[in-house]
Amino acid sequence: QVQLQQSGPGLVKPSQTLSVTCAISGDSVTNNIAAWNWIRQSPSRGLEWLGRTYYRSKWGYDYAGSVSSRMTINVDTANNQFSLQLNSMTPEDMAVYYCARTLSQRGANYFDFWGQGTLVTVSS
Amino acid sequence: DVVMTQSPESLTVSLGEGVTINCKSSQSVLSSSNNKNNLAWYQQKPGQSPKLLISWASIRESGVPDRFSGSGSGTDFTLTISSLQAEDVAVYYCQQYSRIPWTFGQGTKLEIK
Repeated sequence: QVQLQQSGPGLVKPSQTLSVTCAISGDSVTNNIAAWNWIRQSPSRGLEWLGRTYYRSKWGYDYAGSVSSRMTINVDTANNQFSLQLNSMTPEDMAVYYCARTLSQRGANYFDFWGQGTLVTVSS
Repeated sequence: DVVMTQSPESLTVSLGEGVTINCKSSQSVLSSSNNKNNLAWYQQKPGQSPKLLISWASIRESGVPDRFSGSGSGTDFTLTISSLQAEDVAVYYCQQYSRIPWTFGQGTKLEIK
């Protein structure tokens, strides 16, 4: 059974960088049929897909236009985890952030396993 | 981006009654390569992460009760609960995975009368 365990601070100051990590068990971040995604949920924006990474002989990345200039996904193969970095945080970025898996190689880009969520507050 | 619109936004139903939730996409999510609809449904209970119920518009995930069913094609989809149980109280979301960025409906809140 795949499990995704998130970790990261719940409070970020305006203009600073959010970093959330998703540790994978029961699968590998290098699984060449999977993709590893970040999604956030807020009352104002609902569920919003932010981006993904996947390994197909080399690493690939896709980002939503709304965050592409501020977001980076990093991969740590040694610890089988991936992380989200979102720069220049503002109160509009306050949300619950989730990591989730898709089996993209099969076109199955629905989210079959989710992390527990990280509530992020932006405040000085 | 593909816009997903759900209706109704909320509904209150008696135990044992049927429930229908609609989802409409701004573009067809039917794949020409495999003739499948790239549409999923999720259930989210308070304080929990969304849970996948249905993929490919009509394929129930393992362990999902058979009172849940999905139908539709192209741009119009339906999630049906045949007989509402107390544990079905949740918010339900549709999601298209036809085109990046993957997008979700705004959710339908289901409550018990």
